[in-house]
Amino acid sequence: QVQLVQSGAELKAPGASVKVSCQASGYTFISHYIHWVRQAPGRGLEWMGIINPNGGSTAYAQKFQGRVTVTRDTSTRTVYMELNSLRSEDTAVYYCARERGDGGSPPGAWGQGTLVIVSS
Amino acid sequence: SYELTQPPSVSVSPGQTARITCSGDSLPKKYASWYLQRSGQAPVLVIYEDNKRPSGIPERFSGSSSGTLATLTISGARVGDEGDYYCYSTDSSANHGVFGGGTKLTVL
Repeated sequence: QVQLVQSGAELKAPGASVKVSCQASGYTFISHYIHWVRQAPGRGLEWMGIINPNGGSTAYAQKFQGRVTVTRDTSTRTVYMELNSLRSEDTAVYYCARERGDGGSPPGAWGQGTLVIVSS
Repeated sequence: SYELTQPPSVSVSPGQTARITCSGDSLPKKYASWYLQRSGQAPVLVIYEDNKRPSGIPERFSGSSSGTLATLTISGARVGDEGDYYCYSTDSSANHGVFGGGTKLTVL
């Protein structure tokens, strides 16, 4: 079955960067896009971006353009999300999610989430 | 930027029908999906492509879309259906994803 396992919680200082990993298993890695979604404490879901593991093309929400980079390593079936210039408002749980179908379809299976805390 | 609008809360008694709406200008051209997030858990997809149910989702969950309004209907709502429901779609230009603000469903 589809499984996405994310890296552990992170504590970062303001201005630093964080890189969260998402390792996929149970399906053909390059056949399905991966979304990144975050959720600040007590807030709703926020779509950040998407990557096509077959070639590595990406698209990002306008809010995060210039500050987020999503990459993939096909040899380890892992997708990475790096967020730069962290501020306290970036404190959130970050989720990766495999699309349900293909071609950029909505998130289907989700990772367990990674808590990122930005604090001095 | 593109927005999807949901009511903040919906409350029904057990066994009643709950309806949660999602409004967006691109919904006539783009599919809506729905997610349930229970407290402390990752979201779960309950409806995709406006009205399709993933395997394992009970038949009491259904979806529809007309014009700029998508609706999630839960027939015979149960206490276990409580949680936050989010609609999801894409904007009409760049196919960027967007979530609605979420609706807290209370069944009591």
